[in-house]
Amino acid sequence: EPEVTQTPSHQVTQMGQEVILRCVPISNHLYFYWYRQILGQKVEFLVSFYNNEISEKSEIFDDQFSVERPDGSNFTLKIRSTKLEDSAMYFCASNSNRDILYEQYFGPGTRLTVT
Amino acid sequence: QKEVEQNSGPLSVPEGAIASLNCTYSDRGSQSFFWYRQYSGKSPELIMSIYSNGDKEDGRFTAQLNKASQYVSLLIRDSQPSDSATYLCAVNLPLYNQGGKLIFGQGTELSVKP
Repeated sequence: EPEVTQTPSHQVTQMGQEVILRCVPISNHLYFYWYRQILGQKVEFLVSFYNNEISEKSEIFDDQFSVERPDGSNFTLKIRSTKLEDSAMYFCASNSNRDILYEQYFGPGTRLTVT
Repeated sequence: QKEVEQNSGPLSVPEGAIASLNCTYSDRGSQSFFWYRQYSGKSPELIMSIYSNGDKEDGRFTAQLNKASQYVSLLIRDSQPSDSATYLCAVNLPLYNQGGKLIFGQGTELSVKP
C-alpha cells in the first residue's frame, strides 16, 4: 500500500540554523500539506500546496518558513532560522482529492529538536 | 476561530466493551470529518471518514455524524488493548475545492484494560 515517507526521522539543530524537512507524498496525490505537533499539544495546520503553489498558510507559517516541490516526487519544508519554539513533530500529508472526503494520509513525521 | 472540541480523557474501558468518543465542531461550513488514531510518538493514522449525516460502519468502528448538532462520534466495539491510543477528531475546511485543511481536536486518550 502506498505511503507518505519523510526524512529525516529526527533532526537536531542549533537555534538560528536552517533546516530542510523532506517528504515524498503518495505518487498519484495532488495536494500536499505540512502540519506540526508540539509535544502534548494539538496537531496544527501549517500550509497546503497544490499545482506548484501555496493554497493556504496558517499564522504559524511566517517568512521563516517556505515549501517547495523541487522535482516530481519530493515536497520540502524549509525553516530558515530556527527558534527554540520550532521544536515539534512535523508531519507531511497528502490527498488525491478524487472525492468529497478529501482524506489526508500522514507520513511518519520528523522530530525537530532546536537547542 | 474555528474549533474542534474533544474530551481529553483518559477514557478507560474494559476489554470487550464499547468505547464511545465524542467531538463537536464550530464551523458549519465543515465538509468532511475524520477520526485518526495516534499512538504515542507516532503519526496520525486515518481510521474513519464521514461526510453525510448518519452512521458509517467499518469493522469494529462506527462513525456517527449529526451536522445539525455539529457533533461527530466514534464507537469502537469489542475494544482490545491494542486500541489503547489517542483518538483525534479532525474536520476538513475546504479551500475552494482545493483539498481543504484539517482542523484537529486535542484528542481523547483511550485505555483498554485487559
